[in-house]
Amino acid sequence: LAKTTQPISMDSYEGQEVNITCSHNNIATNDYITWYQQFPSQGPRFIIQGYKTKVTNEVASLFIPADRKSSTLSLPRVSLSDTAVYYCLVGAQGGKLIFGQGTELSVKP
Amino acid sequence: NAGVTQTPKFQVLKTGQSMTLQCAQDMNHEYMSWYRQDPGMGLRLIHYSVGAGITDQGEVPNGYNVSRSTTEDFPLRLLSAAPSQTSVYFCASSNFGNTEAFFGQGTRLTVV
Repeated sequence: LAKTTQPISMDSYEGQEVNITCSHNNIATNDYITWYQQFPSQGPRFIIQGYKTKVTNEVASLFIPADRKSSTLSLPRVSLSDTAVYYCLVGAQGGKLIFGQGTELSVKP
Repeated sequence: NAGVTQTPKFQVLKTGQSMTLQCAQDMNHEYMSWYRQDPGMGLRLIHYSVGAGITDQGEVPNGYNVSRSTTEDFPLRLLSAAPSQTSVYFCASSNFGNTEAFFGQGTRLTVV
């Protein structure tokens, strides 16, 4: 499973767009990229998944360049409730999710 | 539809005691897995299962046993609890070919 690298922490203000980049240089051809969100004292929650180019849902967008060696999770107009840890996973399969340390996002008023 | 249910939510054990953390899902998912999360850390995979009767080790399996006799249940057994096993434990399930996993609310375990 590909190793991922993310910033340990990020700060933002309410209403701003937040972009969290994840590096995964040894991603395999068949690997999908998946992002999870975790609030304190809760289990992680699936946000979005993609293979290439751009994926958008009601919560976030995921941008994946052509070489797929990185990906960027974009959260539009964040609010205080978006304060959480965000994890980037690559190649998650068969229930075998390998988490990195994640990015702790703090949204301030 | 309750999703993934973990019991108990909190547990205190003495060193050397054994116990079983329960995990049940009602979504008919093939895949189930157990993770532990230590303070300030990401989740680490303990054991996982791709179907009834099939289990495999994850990143940190030592000191834990699992079995999967039914699709719905995936209990995690601590054989002889140690203080190093103090952690929050999460169970998750997902469908074949789908990496969207659903997590339980966690079990906070303290070993004294």
